[in-house]
Amino acid sequence: GAVVSQHPSRVICKSGTSVKIECRSLDFQATTMFWYRQFPKQSLMLMATSNEGSKATYEQGVEKDKFLINHASLTLSTLTVTSAHPEDSSFYICSARDPHRGLGSPLHFGNGTRLTVT
Amino acid sequence: EDKVVQSPLSLVVHEGDTVTLNCSYEVTNFRSLLWYKQEKKAPTFLFMLTSSGIEKKSGRLSSILDKKELFSILNITATQTGDSAVYLCAVPHGSSNTGKLIFGQGTTLQVKP
Repeated sequence: GAVVSQHPSRVICKSGTSVKIECRSLDFQATTMFWYRQFPKQSLMLMATSNEGSKATYEQGVEKDKFLINHASLTLSTLTVTSAHPEDSSFYICSARDPHRGLGSPLHFGNGTRLTVT
Repeated sequence: EDKVVQSPLSLVVHEGDTVTLNCSYEVTNFRSLLWYKQEKKAPTFLFMLTSSGIEKKSGRLSSILDKKELFSILNITATQTGDSAVYLCAVPHGSSNTGKLIFGQGTTLQVKP
């Protein structure tokens, strides 16, 4: 089945630094990938849609200059949290849909990245 | 505004019990409803439901959708400790086939030995 890989699984960084998270589709090409965020005891919320070859689309309230998204190839999207602050500490999860299974097929999620900003 | 509400928010049962998790939704242009299981990491896909009244089954798990009453249930029979997880219900948002899923708050299920 479709597999989405995310790296790193856990990162601890200091305030003010930047952190890059990678999301790869392993057995399919994804022109679109989706970045979600989950705060403790809350549900997943879509942050942005990563589009290969064009700019990402951000959800309302998500700062595009803070969360930089680059969809460098058909199998790789990266999310960079710039100038991280403690309030950015969260669980970041990417997802993608196997296009061969149709637009109505379910999203598959990566294993997530737990970011802790000290 | 599109909305997904799950109940109960948490549930504690003993091995062998049967549980029913509920999900109600309000969404414009409904296309499907999805159930995911989330253990400590990312959600894993369980079911996608598009038609009313047709039960989907996978082992001890089953789910059904009622598009008239706008809800779905997820049943787990003969629960095991490995079923302990957060169960998430979600519906796609918007008129196009995007990846924006509106998730419910989740039901945290704890199965005790």
